[in-house]
Amino acid sequence: NAGVTQTPKFQVLKTGQSMTLQCAQDMNHEYMSWYRQDPGMGLRLIHYSVGAGITDQGEVPNGYNVSRSTTEDFPLRLLSAAPSQTSVYFCASSYISEYGYTFGSGTRLTVV
Amino acid sequence: AQSVTQPDIHITVSEGASLELRCNYSYGATPYLFWYVQSPGQGLQLLLKYFSGDTLVQGIKGFEAEFKRSQSSFNLRKPSVHWSDAAEYFCAVGFSGGYQKVTFGIGTKLQVIP
Repeated sequence: NAGVTQTPKFQVLKTGQSMTLQCAQDMNHEYMSWYRQDPGMGLRLIHYSVGAGITDQGEVPNGYNVSRSTTEDFPLRLLSAAPSQTSVYFCASSYISEYGYTFGSGTRLTVV
Repeated sequence: AQSVTQPDIHITVSEGASLELRCNYSYGATPYLFWYVQSPGQGLQLLLKYFSGDTLVQGIKGFEAEFKRSQSSFNLRKPSVHWSDAAEYFCAVGFSGGYQKVTFGIGTKLQVIP
């Protein structure tokens, strides 16, 4: 099925550990984004990319790193996990921003 | 900076009743506006979008929304709610010029009672 695939679906980390959340899309979308969703705060943009090799910071980038070596993949790296990074993370992609995003099913991350 | 307000955090409606979810935005120029729906444990799905043309837009699942520039609003409506519409709904706004940094509202959780 065409769409945005996120792995893993669930993850528990200890404080200080690092990990990579994977995101892949097969729709040849140029634009990809990472959001975090927290209760009462909606979705907040972490990082985004407008094409392979081009990334930029969003609203809440601290503690996260991204790279975009291919059109299909846009991994999100947590450098040193903190309890404040406990959240649900969504990857999204779009062909043209005005058309809206296709979202992945999310990764629920707990940092203890 | 652009912002989105969804004043109702939680709404309960009876099955078969009409629905209106409110969304107000703050932005200087004509925005791009979206409504998304999120079922429990799922990602967000695009319901409808507006970026030009007719201010009344139709979406999937029988939803529609009307852009009112004078009121800076983009309210979502459905004439008759089904139990399967129970979900959380997010309004979002973006602006033109390359990549849109889309801003999302905090969401409205819809409960449908028999």
